[in-house]
Amino acid sequence: AQKITQTQPGMFVQEKEAVTLDCTYDTSDPSYGLFWYKQPSSGEMIFLIYQGSYDQQNATEGRYSLNFQKARKSANLVISASQLGDSAMYFCAMRGSLGNEKLTFGTGTRLTIIP
Amino acid sequence: DGGITQSPKYLFRKEGQNVTLSCEQNLNHDAMYWYRQDPGQGLRLIYYSQIVNDFQKGDIAEGYSVSREKKESFPLTVTSAQKNPTAFYLCASSVAAVYQETQYFGPGTRLLVL
Repeated sequence: AQKITQTQPGMFVQEKEAVTLDCTYDTSDPSYGLFWYKQPSSGEMIFLIYQGSYDQQNATEGRYSLNFQKARKSANLVISASQLGDSAMYFCAMRGSLGNEKLTFGTGTRLTIIP
Repeated sequence: DGGITQSPKYLFRKEGQNVTLSCEQNLNHDAMYWYRQDPGQGLRLIYYSQIVNDFQKGDIAEGYSVSREKKESFPLTVTSAQKNPTAFYLCASSVAAVYQETQYFGPGTRLLVL
C-alpha cells in the first residue's frame, strides 16, 4: 500500500521568503512518481512539479523545486521568493507501479503568505 | 485551448435522487479519473478508466457509477445509494495510467444535498 504523510497542517511565511513544505512517502514499488499540486480557494488542482523515482537530479520548475531524498523517502517542495498568490493548499501525491498506478494524496498543507 | 471541463459548478441533490456530473477533456488523453474531496481532506479515488469502454473501481466506489463511451467523456453518476454525497468532485485525465504521467484536473463540481 502507498501512503503520503504531510505533517504541517498550516504554515505562515513572510512574503519574499523561501518556504519548504514537507512530504514523506511509503511504498514498496520499485518505480514511482511524486507530484505536488496547488489548490487555491477556487478548488482547482494545479500541477506544480514531478519527480520520478529514478531521476538523478532534483526537479525544478521556475520558483518550485523538489528536494528528493530517496533513502529518507522524502519529497519536500521548496518555493523560493514567495508571493501573495502562493497562498493556497498544497498537496503531495504519488503514483506507483505494479498495480498501484492510482494517485495517492496526502492531507495537505495550508500555506499563508503574509505581506 | 486544451483542457478539462466539468459541469455544473454547483449541483443540488434531493434525497433519493440520482445526479450525473459531467467531465469532458480535449487533451486526447486515454486515462480519466474521478476523485472526491471532503473538507480538510486530500482526494480519494472513486473510479478510473484507462481506455474507452473500460473502467475500474477506486477506493470509494460504492454508491457511484460511471461510463466511458467516448474518449473525451467520463460522466459520474451519484446514486441514491450514496448516503453522504455532499463533497467536492474533481475529474482528472492523463496520457496513460502509468506512474510517470501527470494527472491534470478540471475545475470541480460541488454537490450539496437538500
